[in-house]
Amino acid sequence: QKEVEQNSGPLSVPEGAIASLNCTYSDRGSQSFFWYRQYSGKSPELIMFIYSNGDKEDGRFTAQLNKASQYVSLLIRDSQPSDSATYLCAVRYPNTGNQFYFGTGTSLTVIP
Amino acid sequence: DADVTQTPRNRITKTGKRIMLECSQTKGHDRMYWYRQDPGLGLRLIYYSFDVKDINKGEISDGYSVSRQAQAKFSLSLESAIPNQTALYFCATRDRGLETQYFGPGTRLLVL
Repeated sequence: QKEVEQNSGPLSVPEGAIASLNCTYSDRGSQSFFWYRQYSGKSPELIMFIYSNGDKEDGRFTAQLNKASQYVSLLIRDSQPSDSATYLCAVRYPNTGNQFYFGTGTSLTVIP
Repeated sequence: DADVTQTPRNRITKTGKRIMLECSQTKGHDRMYWYRQDPGLGLRLIYYSFDVKDINKGEISDGYSVSRQAQAKFSLSLESAIPNQTALYFCATRDRGLETQYFGPGTRLLVL
């Protein structure tokens, strides 16, 4: 069974701090990992994705992969109140026709 | 105008009724997806289509059917709605060779 697990939170951080979000996945063959942001009542939007060959930084966001422990993390530096949202982790499993599997999401609140 | 649209945005129906949710896109993407989102369960894939003649079951296809009428249109049907199909339904599109999925605004369905 393909599983993607996230701590549902809520996670609260003060404005300007680093928010750290984590996600574990079950299939070692996974090669594509995604982080989506979903504001309340809105649809998910992609923040960034990484492949199994390396981490990625994009502005205040950094996605990191630990293949040995099968988890993906998202770091948000200099957190802003506008970062308050639910963050969804997704994994694409190649042996399932490249289907996307999503975690349940972590709710983040950035306190001004 | 929105690139991915869903109709209706909200729907209340009764157990046993047939209902169709529609998705249209102007992005020119070949791949289209239907997901449902439930509190505590995250986003789960119902069906996906790589082109008009290629339709595939996702993780939770039982009780649902789809039709890809054209590259731009992908409809989801509930042949005989039941209360546990009450959920938020999202359509998404993706271009071949690219990673980003673009989600529609969602359809909130309530089955009484």
